Amino acid sequence: AQKITQTQPGMFVQEKEAVTLDCTYDTSDPSYGLFWYKQPSSGEMIFLIYQGSYDQQNATEGRYSLNFQKARKSANLVISASQLGDSAMYFCAMREGIANAGKSTFGDGTTLTVKP
Amino acid sequence: ETGVTQTPRHLVMGMTNKKSLKCEQHLGHNAMYWYKQSAKKPLELMFVYSLEERVENNSVPSRFSPECPNSSHLFLHLHTLQPEDSALYLCASSQDYGRTGSEKLFFGSGTQLSVL
Repeated sequence: AQKITQTQPGMFVQEKEAVTLDCTYDTSDPSYGLFWYKQPSSGEMIFLIYQGSYDQQNATEGRYSLNFQKARKSANLVISASQLGDSAMYFCAMREGIANAGKSTFGDGTTLTVKP
Repeated sequence: ETGVTQTPRHLVMGMTNKKSLKCEQHLGHNAMYWYKQSAKKPLELMFVYSLEERVENNSVPSRFSPECPNSSHLFLHLHTLQPEDSALYLCASSQDYGRTGSEKLFFGSGTQLSVL
């Protein structure tokens, strides 16, 4: 079974609107971390936001927030007030156990297109 | 200077060639990584170096040979590659390896490799 599932290959959003990118995960380890990265067409993956499995509150970083629903094993990324520069590929990733984030498992990604 | 720099950006090589990919990080990080990103496949971790020592080697064929001469530089030496090795090769760094689980990765823009 896939450890990280991103069911939306592509998403469209109107500029200035909010968009939610889905991510579900599968792990039996009680300690894990969830990451979201953005990959523009330039190729560089950019860290956006992190949520630890024991964190009580949903993570937020500027216009990015993570809707963490532990019982449902979902970690959806919410981007508020979309901008044209948000058009990119978005990856959800999970680190299990106390291993370093570099051993994260990545999902297949979602391509987001922001329309003017 | 950007945090993680990769050269070359694009590389075309024949199956009998020998070439090297270079990665340099200017962040003072202690861990460096090589990832492979193929079309329609999730990001795959290839190698991890922590304090210049290789700590992970994820069953990568011997035609890929990493080298980490110091904490700022990472190379991937390529020899007798196959067409299926064509992919985007991403280098990343993190402050440490195995110390916490929340450390984010800083990626370079990648080398787009085509093997003919």
